[in-house]
Amino acid sequence: NAGVTQTPKFQVLKTGQSMTLQCAQDMNHEYMSWYRQDPGMGLRLIHYSVGAGITDQGEVPNGYNVSRSTTEDFPLRLLSAAPSQTSVYFCASSLGGTQYFGPGTRLTVL
Amino acid sequence: GESVGLHLPTLSVQEGDNSIINCAYSNSASDYFIWYKQESGKGPQFIIDIRSNMDKRQGQRVTVLLNKTVKHLSLQIAATQPGDSAVYFCAEKESGYSTLTFGKGTMLLVSP
Repeated sequence: NAGVTQTPKFQVLKTGQSMTLQCAQDMNHEYMSWYRQDPGMGLRLIHYSVGAGITDQGEVPNGYNVSRSTTEDFPLRLLSAAPSQTSVYFCASSLGGTQYFGPGTRLTVL
Repeated sequence: GESVGLHLPTLSVQEGDNSIINCAYSNSASDYFIWYKQESGKGPQFIIDIRSNMDKRQGQRVTVLLNKTVKHLSLQIAATQPGDSAVYFCAEKESGYSTLTFGKGTMLLVSP
């Protein structure tokens, strides 16, 4: 199993650009989630999904969209990037509580 | 190191010492707790978990203690090694919910 994979590893955007961060898992986990990690802030939940076709907002959802058309994939979309979205983004998946994390995407918005 | 370490509480120990990392949680309805380790440039990695019907759980060189009375969780690492240097996060989950709430983390620095 590859576990949780994320692409790209690094991305630089200009303010106002849009992009999609990709996340995939091959463990047949129902639950998937997106976090952002900023210095001194720990991990903050952006959006999550408890199964295909179901998504919900986390603690900091503004400026981000998600969809879950398959069990394996959970992309995160930035509609109009802002400097405040400069962060490291982690995707995670879970079957029964314990979440397993991907390697992260470091995003810089200029 | 990774920018996530800025402004975090830091525990510095010598190689071979035992380390204790503490975490206070706020939700008395939480019934599942996890410790994660995050090395520089990597995603959080599961270390050990404990459910609220237990006070203590041991793994390989690690022990988690749960005190529900004061809502406190600790991670003990025996014979700490330089490879244990990382940021450690606790996380809690409330019964009936699927989301985790993470603490802000503690940086562990191990000197040879």
